[in-house]
Amino acid sequence: KAGVTQTPRYLIKTRGQQVTLSCSPISGHRSVSWYQQTPGQGLQFLFEYFSETQRNKGNFPGRFSGRQFSNSRSEMNVSTLELGDSALYLCASSLDQGRFETQYFGPGTRLLVL
Amino acid sequence: GNSVTQMEGPVTLSEEAFLTINCTYTATGYPSLFWYVQYPGEGLQLLLKATKADDKGSNKGFEATYRKETTSFHLEKGSVQVSDSAVYFCALRSYTGGFKTIFGAGTRLFVKA
Repeated sequence: KAGVTQTPRYLIKTRGQQVTLSCSPISGHRSVSWYQQTPGQGLQFLFEYFSETQRNKGNFPGRFSGRQFSNSRSEMNVSTLELGDSALYLCASSLDQGRFETQYFGPGTRLLVL
Repeated sequence: GNSVTQMEGPVTLSEEAFLTINCTYTATGYPSLFWYVQYPGEGLQLLLKATKADDKGSNKGFEATYRKETTSFHLEKGSVQVSDSAVYFCALRSYTGGFKTIFGAGTRLFVKA
């Protein structure tokens, strides 16, 4: 089975621009979560989607948004980019929701904002 | 709110040394606990998990026991190898208005030959 894939792997943007990141979960997985990883803050939860609905959201400004499609693929959008948005964005998929679920992570998209 | 605290790194050990990485948590309800590992240049992957009190998770010689009374989930390995050099993340998953996984800050482990 193919793993979680994320595109693009690297991205350079300037302040004020917007960006869309894509995540394809493992086939059959219905839940997708997004995280921001930075050296200072570690792994911060952005949001979790299940069956095309956002089920939970972290403490990020409204500039961060996402969606999930009927095939479980997910996109994350960041508008009006700020320097502090430079980070590794990780997507993780799991078979289902629930507290027992193991998450399978993609390699991440490294975003640099200049 | 829920949180995970793990020991700061880096931890540097010689090959065949005993490893302990401490992890404590604060959570309401009945969380599941996980250890994820991130090898250099790779994504996070599950190392082991435990879903209820007194459960022991184990994998690749690593072990951790879910201790509800001390709210801890310490990672141990009896004899580390150079290939164990990585960043280790303790995490909990619970329901707080929706399911959510919270990660600790990560502990970097260096193993010297």
